Amino acid sequence: KNEVEQSPQNLTAQEGEFITINCSYSVGISALHWLQQHPGGGIVSLFMLSSGKKKHGRLIATINIQEKHSSLHITASHPRDSAVYICAVRSRGATNKLIFGTGTLLAVQP
Amino acid sequence: EAGVAQSPRYKIIEKRQSVAFWCNPISGHATLYWYQQILGQGPKLLIQFQNNGVVDDSQLPKDRFSAERLKGVDSTLKIQPAKLEDSAVYLCASSLRLATYNEQFFGPGTRLTVL
Repeated sequence: KNEVEQSPQNLTAQEGEFITINCSYSVGISALHWLQQHPGGGIVSLFMLSSGKKKHGRLIATINIQEKHSSLHITASHPRDSAVYICAVRSRGATNKLIFGTGTLLAVQP
Repeated sequence: EAGVAQSPRYKIIEKRQSVAFWCNPISGHATLYWYQQILGQGPKLLIQFQNNGVVDDSQLPKDRFSAERLKGVDSTLKIQPAKLEDSAVYLCASSLRLATYNEQFFGPGTRLTVL
């Protein structure tokens, strides 16, 4: 079983829909990242959080440390949001090591 | 501020050949990471440097993979000889230092195809 699990693996939405991507983890962490990866492109960090909730534009990320669960929400989705969204957790310890989920492939159709 | 640079962006080789990738981190970033991302999977850490020293190389297949960061700035990752299962995107990332809350910045990656 992977230490970081994401769901769903694939998601197709219509433009304007509210989207939720979930992440569960089984290890002790110091922080959790949500990352975006476009086809053929590098990875861009969206959020880094260790508690509560963060908002940036149409993106909202929440984390529940007790339940070891995080969600990424996209409001008023747009075709340009189509990408792979990756959850990664930073393990406790000195090395700042990231453990990645397998990603959620999101396709937003016009 | 310039981002993490990687080259080449794409490489196609035959199995048993050798290949090298180059990474130039963001200026002033002490920590450098190499990741392997196989299609459909999340990135997997291969090796992590702090300046020119290795912090973690526990998942580096040392029989065929090697990496160096001799002057503590740019880095090269080499595969010799390559196998079919090495086909993947190789991502380089850097962070300011090793501390827990330092964000990692990723390069565009090198897509390797081994035929």
